[in-house]
Amino acid sequence: DAGVIQSPRHEVTEMGQEVTLRCKPISGHNSLFWYRQTMMRGLELLIYFNNNVPIDDSGMPEDRFSAKMPNASFSTLKIQPSEPRDSAVYFCASSLAPGGGLRVAKNIQYFGAGTRLSVL
Amino acid sequence: GIQVEQSPPDLILQEGANSTLRCNFSDSVNNLQWFHQNPWGQLINLFYIPSGTKQNGRLSATTVATERYSLLYISSSQTTDSGVYFCAPRDTGRRALTFGSGTRLQVQP
Repeated sequence: DAGVIQSPRHEVTEMGQEVTLRCKPISGHNSLFWYRQTMMRGLELLIYFNNNVPIDDSGMPEDRFSAKMPNASFSTLKIQPSEPRDSAVYFCASSLAPGGGLRVAKNIQYFGAGTRLSVL
Repeated sequence: GIQVEQSPPDLILQEGANSTLRCNFSDSVNNLQWFHQNPWGQLINLFYIPSGTKQNGRLSATTVATERYSLLYISSSQTTDSGVYFCAPRDTGRRALTFGSGTRLQVQP
C-alpha cells in the first residue's frame, strides 16, 4: 500500500493567494483527518470526515479555510486568502473506523508526509 | 477536551543508554498512539496501545488506562532514534487524536 499521499510537499506563496492542499487516503479507509503543526500550537486537528461527510470542523481557524471530500479517495484543504500566520506543516491522516457489519477496527491513524506551507 | 502532558520535554542521551518517556492524560481513552517524528518531519507510527504492554524491537510501550498514563521505553538508544516522540490519545467522545507537546530526544554518538 502506498500510504497516505499528500501534495504538494512544499508550497511557497504570497499573502492573499489561494492555496489548495491535496490528500489521497489509504484505500479502504473511511475516516480522513486534517491536522496542522506549528511551533506555537503543536499538532492540532482542523477537521475530520467520516464516509466523506465532515463530522467535526471545530478546529478550522476561520472562514478562510475550507475542506472537501468529494469521494472516498480524495480530499482538499483550501485557504483563501492565505496569510503569513497560516505558515505551518499540514498533515493528512486516514483510518478505518468501525461500523456496519465490520468487526471492531483498531482505528489506527496513518499520516501522510505533510505539506510545508510558507506564506510570504 | 482531553489534556495531554508529556515528560520530559527534552532529553539528551549517549548512544546505548535507555530511557522512559511518560504521557499523562486527563480523561478515559479508547485509543492511544505513539509516534516518532523524525528530523525530516515524518510522523511514524510506533504503537497503537489503548491498554496493556507491547514490544517492537528495542521499543516497548505500556498504557495503564485506569490510571491515565502511558510509557514509552527505548532501550540501547541509537542516533537514528533522535527526533520528537508524541503521545496521542483519543477520548471516547471523538475520532480524532489529541497530541501532547512531545519529547524531543537527541541521541549523541
